[in-house]
Amino acid sequence: TQLLEQSPQFLSIQEGENLTVYCNSSSVFSSLQWYRQEPGEGPVLLVTVVTGGEVKKLKRLTFQFGDARKDSSLHITAAQPGDTGLYLCAGAEAGSYQLTFGKGTKLSVIP
Amino acid sequence: DVKVTQSSRYLVKRTGEKVFLECVQDMDHENMFWYRQDPGLGLRLIYFSYDVKMKEKGDIPEGYSVSREKKERFSLILESASTNQTSMYLCASSLLTSEAFFGQGTRLTVV
Repeated sequence: TQLLEQSPQFLSIQEGENLTVYCNSSSVFSSLQWYRQEPGEGPVLLVTVVTGGEVKKLKRLTFQFGDARKDSSLHITAAQPGDTGLYLCAGAEAGSYQLTFGKGTKLSVIP
Repeated sequence: DVKVTQSSRYLVKRTGEKVFLECVQDMDHENMFWYRQDPGLGLRLIYFSYDVKMKEKGDIPEGYSVSREKKERFSLILESASTNQTSMYLCASSLLTSEAFFGQGTRLTVV
């Protein structure tokens, strides 16, 4: 089973600050996804990256896939309280629909 | 929008009971998945299904079984519930990619 390591596990920041969350593996993934989960709810897909070096932007969120497709990062600019939640990365092997999930980064943005 | 609906948000069952968790998706997705989510352990795959009447074991199938008699419905069965099966259970579906759409989750407590 491939493993995805996320860091940091917990992050508490003030509104308006920037932050970066990391997702690393020793394995190559054909695609990598980021989800956000709010307490008591299921994860919601934010983005999928498939090409090494790919960068995608979703408003104040910037997602990057590593050149070797083994790692990814999520950068949030000027964090808002509404960004609070659990951020999960998940990777899929080539030819598989099965996802391997990281354990998540719990983000708290304090007003 | 894809909708994945889990039959219950909260369930309390007694040790030894047979428990059924139901999941229905309305987008004609081929793939369906059951995960459990526990603090510090992340999302772990219990079972998945690529088609009607087909099922594959995930990483932690012990103590669980599944049923997929219709394409839109995927049921998770706890044959004899135990306290270590207290958890958040998440159902997901996907089409021909790994992008998963999750239900709202069922928080099961076994007493």
